[in-house]
Amino acid sequence: DAMVIQNPRYQVTQFGKPVTLSCSQTLNHNVMYWYQQKSSQAPKLLFHYYDKDFNNEADTPDNFQSRRPNTSFCFLDIRSPGLGDAAMYLCATSRDRTAMNTEAFFGQGTRLTVV
Amino acid sequence: KQEVTQIPAALSVPEGENLVLNCSFTDSAIYNLQWFRQDPGKGLTSLLLIQSSQREQTSGRLNASLDKSSGRSTLYIAASQPGDSATYLCAVTPGANNLFFGTGTRLTVIP
Repeated sequence: DAMVIQNPRYQVTQFGKPVTLSCSQTLNHNVMYWYQQKSSQAPKLLFHYYDKDFNNEADTPDNFQSRRPNTSFCFLDIRSPGLGDAAMYLCATSRDRTAMNTEAFFGQGTRLTVV
Repeated sequence: KQEVTQIPAALSVPEGENLVLNCSFTDSAIYNLQWFRQDPGKGLTSLLLIQSSQREQTSGRLNASLDKSSGRSTLYIAASQPGDSATYLCAVTPGANNLFFGTGTRLTVIP
């Protein structure tokens, strides 16, 4: 059974039109992450939530925002998508942040196309 | 700053061969290291997690080792199958709330 679920799997949006990607989890994990992965590149962390505490990476553009209304759901909002934002967006969860046995679980990703 | 390197970038092997994928990282202050599999256009599937205090972990035909002091990990795949074809990513967890990924090794197992 899927434990980290991302919707939609594929999203096409127009240049400059706001778009929201969704992630839900059934693991009851404290931490939820959003990663951006461009073709043939390593996933890059955009931000994460530890419970309700939002942590933004220093180089994440202001165009990217996130919301976590409850433990199970987390959203990625792209306010004005540009062509350079076309990528795979990966949501992940972990029970904790720094314990040695903390394993990260990923969803299937949302492939975003900007036209 | 932590950097993770995976060599080779791509690898093709005939079915049935044993193979080793390599991962190196520059900062040995890590909590753990994870190996993931990524199929084309899909998310990441966790394969193995090695805690910083451990030296290896095994799951089925997979065996991962960790030498933290030298900043190296290997993923050994025994008796490779066409279904093993995918990109394999390693990632380390440093002191705070992030996974630093390598760019992966794209494996093709030829029937």
